[in-house]
Amino acid sequence: GQNIDQPTEMTATEGAIVQINCTYQTSGFNGLFWYQQHAGEAPTFLSYNVLDGLEEKGRFSSFLSRSKGYSYLLLKELQMKDSASYLCAVSLSFSGNTPLVFGKGTRLSVIA
Amino acid sequence: DTEVTQTPKHLVMGMTNKKSLKCEQHMGHRAMYWYKQKAKKPPELMFVYSYEKLSINESVPSRFSPECPNSSLLNLHLHALQPEDSALYLCASSLDLDRIYSNQPQHFGDGTRLSIL
Repeated sequence: GQNIDQPTEMTATEGAIVQINCTYQTSGFNGLFWYQQHAGEAPTFLSYNVLDGLEEKGRFSSFLSRSKGYSYLLLKELQMKDSASYLCAVSLSFSGNTPLVFGKGTRLSVIA
Repeated sequence: DTEVTQTPKHLVMGMTNKKSLKCEQHMGHRAMYWYKQKAKKPPELMFVYSYEKLSINESVPSRFSPECPNSSLLNLHLHALQPEDSALYLCASSLDLDRIYSNQPQHFGDGTRLSIL
């Protein structure tokens, strides 16, 4: 089976840095995506990692270690609008398997 | 606004009704998806279409019937639904299912919030 774990909830302060971790055990791996989803809205793409290391995009960075089955999303200079769910999703090798498997998501609350 | 358009945004229907959800994209994407999402849960994959053909059916009950009339449109026909089918139904598209395109993200619509009475 496919297993993707993320913390259920996190709280952080405006202006701070928060790291959301994701561990995965999947049959096949073609990369890992992070999505942001505000309540009642569509998930929106944040980042993609397929090689080990850090990918930086403005205030958001994502890290991958394939040997450890581990990724994290780093959010800097937190803003109130960053309060949302953050979904870790693994792209599997497409051979009749589900192409994208989502973790349960981490609900981040940014407080003043 | 997203590049994937879903209609209607909200739908309330009885258990004996027949209705359809619609999804449209004009990004030239060749893969389209239907997901079901319950509150505070991640999206659950229902169906995947690739080049207008059904590629994946995740053991979805037959009261949900997908249709892909052309490369830009995806429908989900609903009939005799149950109260537990109340959820947000998300449509998504991506460039292609082939693994060489696996770095291409899925683009999601805003969803249809479905309530079954």
